[in-house]
Amino acid sequence: ETGVTQTPRHLVMGMTNKKSLKCEQHLGHNAMYWYKQSAKKPLELMFVYNFKEQTENNSVPSRFSPECPNSSHLFLHLHTLQPEDSALYLCASSQEGGGTDSPLHFGNGTRLTVT
Amino acid sequence: KNEVEQSPQNLTAQEGEFITINCSYSVGISALHWLQQHPGGGIVSLFMLSSGKKKHGRLIATINIQEKHSSLHITASHPRDSAVYICAVRWAQETSGSRLTFGEGTQLTVNP
Repeated sequence: ETGVTQTPRHLVMGMTNKKSLKCEQHLGHNAMYWYKQSAKKPLELMFVYNFKEQTENNSVPSRFSPECPNSSHLFLHLHTLQPEDSALYLCASSQEGGGTDSPLHFGNGTRLTVT
Repeated sequence: KNEVEQSPQNLTAQEGEFITINCSYSVGISALHWLQQHPGGGIVSLFMLSSGKKKHGRLIATINIQEKHSSLHITASHPRDSAVYICAVRWAQETSGSRLTFGEGTQLTVNP
């Protein structure tokens, strides 16, 4: 049990579909993140939420829309995606503030395939 | 451009061997993380360090700030150590702890 749960584990969607990825953390952390991991590439930060407020949007296309209703839940809404968006999408959480680094706790990811 | 480089990209070892994975970075950092990613995709944080050395079981992480280099060592390797090992850094000029730059990872395979 990692403390960060992502659903679904696998998702196949067409380019005209709308779907959502869900992330839930049970660690009491105040920050949550979405990362994208494409084949043979390093993890890329997409979005950061601190205390439910979006603090970072790393030039992500608008077809990806995050939502953070509370500090324990994070969603990534997907619409009109492209085949190159196929990747592993990872959610993470951490405790930010206090002037020190905090380890990231990752979920198991959602393997997304866009057809 | 701030960069993180890992070597080797792929590593195959026999069970019991001592393993070293390297990470080099281009400018000053405030923290370096070592992460482990298993085939299912989930990532586990192994170490976070800013100086010296840390040890947890058979894993040892060292960092040399002057040389801008870190190593992850695995003693008495086992097939269950097979995974991708990822180095990530927080640059010294970054104010947010969430802003990490990741290496491409090292795929380790330990054969029985």
